[in-house]
Amino acid sequence: DAKTTQPTSMDCAEGRAANLPCNHSTISGNEYVYWYRQIHSQGPQYIIHGLKNNETNEMASLIITEDRKSSTLILPHATLRDTAVYYCIVNYYSGYSTLTFGKGTMLLVSP
Amino acid sequence: DTGVSQDPRHKITKRGQNVTFRCDPISEHNRLYWYRQTLGQGPEFLTYFQNEAQLEKSRLLSDRFSAERPKGSFSTLEIQRTEQGDSAMYLCASSLDSSYGYTFGSGTRLTVV
Repeated sequence: DAKTTQPTSMDCAEGRAANLPCNHSTISGNEYVYWYRQIHSQGPQYIIHGLKNNETNEMASLIITEDRKSSTLILPHATLRDTAVYYCIVNYYSGYSTLTFGKGTMLLVSP
Repeated sequence: DTGVSQDPRHKITKRGQNVTFRCDPISEHNRLYWYRQTLGQGPEFLTYFQNEAQLEKSRLLSDRFSAERPKGSFSTLEIQRTEQGDSAMYLCASSLDSSYGYTFGSGTRLTVV
């Protein structure tokens, strides 16, 4: 079972920042937070992951609260191509166990 | 590196027929995963290979399902005696031991009529 809670859907205007929240109150000390997204008719795409510290890459930023019970994925300048389902997953290092997806958040970026 | 390839992209079959899907992972990736996704749901884990060894199988993988990965390269997923409930997108992913992220293919959409 997924260990995360995400809003079902969110809207964002093109060019604005998209902030996608995720609650994971039962996360254990050595579990990571992973984010994937799935554009319609494609397979999921890895975005970013983090353990304790905030992380940034060319796609997004991940902000994890100090108690690690929640996190936010930030797309700094959303484009229409960012319209997708975004999955927040809590898991041990994926080399040791498989990822369990929930239903995710449908992000709609509008002009 | 052309990513993870899955074949076919779409398959329509009659109930009771057998189907086989193929997945070609990224060449240096030793881990391979199969997932199934139905409409409106996230992907559900089916099975996982490390090299040629099948290390984990989900309870979703009934006796009608079988997966192989000969020589630790490509993998096949076979469904025998298909049922309408098998209609779904079947996704394959691969990764390295040392990596955190999976690379998914575009999936095979199965429709059982």
